[in-house]
Amino acid sequence: RKEVEQDPGPFNVPEGATVAFNCTYSNSASQSFFWYRQDCRKEPKLLMSVYSSGNEDGRFTAQLNRASQYISLLIRDSKLSDSATYLCVVNLAGRRALTFGSGTRLQVQP
Amino acid sequence: EPEVTQTPSHQVTQMGQEVILRCVPISNHLYFYWYRQILGQKVEFLVSFYNNEISEKSEIFDDQFSVERPDGSNFTLKIRSTKLEDSAMYFCASRTDGRGEQFFGPGTRLTVL
Repeated sequence: RKEVEQDPGPFNVPEGATVAFNCTYSNSASQSFFWYRQDCRKEPKLLMSVYSSGNEDGRFTAQLNRASQYISLLIRDSKLSDSATYLCVVNLAGRRALTFGSGTRLQVQP
Repeated sequence: EPEVTQTPSHQVTQMGQEVILRCVPISNHLYFYWYRQILGQKVEFLVSFYNNEISEKSEIFDDQFSVERPDGSNFTLKIRSTKLEDSAMYFCASRTDGRGEQFFGPGTRLTVL
């Protein structure tokens, strides 16, 4: 089983749509959780950290379910500029390294 | 805003040659990392570095790889004898402490011919 698993997509949605991405992780000792965004041939950039209580940043909402080892990202009112690959990232307890999922590609269309 | 920088942006080399990829982490950061991303694949951890020594490395980081912080600002990744399969984007990252956000540099695209 992959350490961090995501649906690769692509998700093709119209502007203004709401889209949700899911991610599962295999190691229950995972400690910290993040969503990163990666544009084509660019570096990953932190979109938001994910907290147990769930958190929101503008149009973006992240949820964590530790019992199911599941993380989600909801994007409301999609913009053309949201087109990118969204990476689910996990930090295992006792490790400094980040473990990346393969990413989910989002294409927002006019 | 401070940022991680990497040079060169693109390096082309012949198989068997040595390459050195350079990174300048954010100045007050203490933890440094190298990741790589083969085209079309996920980002993979290579090595982390703290207090002038390797703190963790992956199975990818074999004897062909080494890291160094030669002068207190640069952080380098050396590949001693490059193979075709080393072709990838190499990202440097840094962070202030062991748990904070990792900031990534723009990457060096390594092409091994």
